[in-house]
Amino acid sequence: DTGVSQDPRHKITKRGQNVTFRCDPISEHNRLYWYRQTLGQGPEFLTYFQNEAQLEKSRLLSDRFSAERPKGSFSTLEIQRTEQGDSAMYLCASSTTVGELFFGEGSRLTVL
Amino acid sequence: AQSVTQPDIHITVSEGASLELRCNYSYGATPYLFWYVQSPGQGLQLLLKYFSGDTLVQGIKGFEAEFKRSQSSFNLRKPSVHWSDAAEYFCAVGAKEYGNKLVFGAGTILRVKS
Repeated sequence: DTGVSQDPRHKITKRGQNVTFRCDPISEHNRLYWYRQTLGQGPEFLTYFQNEAQLEKSRLLSDRFSAERPKGSFSTLEIQRTEQGDSAMYLCASSTTVGELFFGEGSRLTVL
Repeated sequence: AQSVTQPDIHITVSEGASLELRCNYSYGATPYLFWYVQSPGQGLQLLLKYFSGDTLVQGIKGFEAEFKRSQSSFNLRKPSVHWSDAAEYFCAVGAKEYGNKLVFGAGTILRVKS
């Protein structure tokens, strides 16, 4: 068990560029969650998967955001045409169906 | 709507003093409750959790929390704070009816003075 890993840890991009984050969950976990955290706030739910099915998306997840978990293992979160308001820490977590969430170290996005 | 309130944005305690961080929730289902800790620039580490049963739960690093259904509260306590406890603490609530996704409070920043 190597924990939840996220890549990259830091990303600096210019407004209008596309960025993609990857999350590798704990191997036996069937659920995977994405959260966004801005300075001074708690994490806000974006979306979650059970295996490869995306079961829920928050209203925070605009059309510029897309998440996939193609084989029920790793997941990607893509942001198209980034805006300065997208600057945040993007956290991934995984869990079993009934267990607690285990979080990765996060991917910090800075949009210039 | 589900919500979690952590009324204290900042708390400062002296090393060796006791600590209590407050958490109140509003939730439409039988809640699961959690406390996480976050150091600057890091992810969240689970301190303790409550699913059912004994309402006083023990966690890592000497922390405990008590679930009080009548008060919709889940306050975190530690009898003697160490300088290494300085961090931000988040209370969170979830339920299996909502896919176990968590709703977080805004966090409480703990400062420890020597």
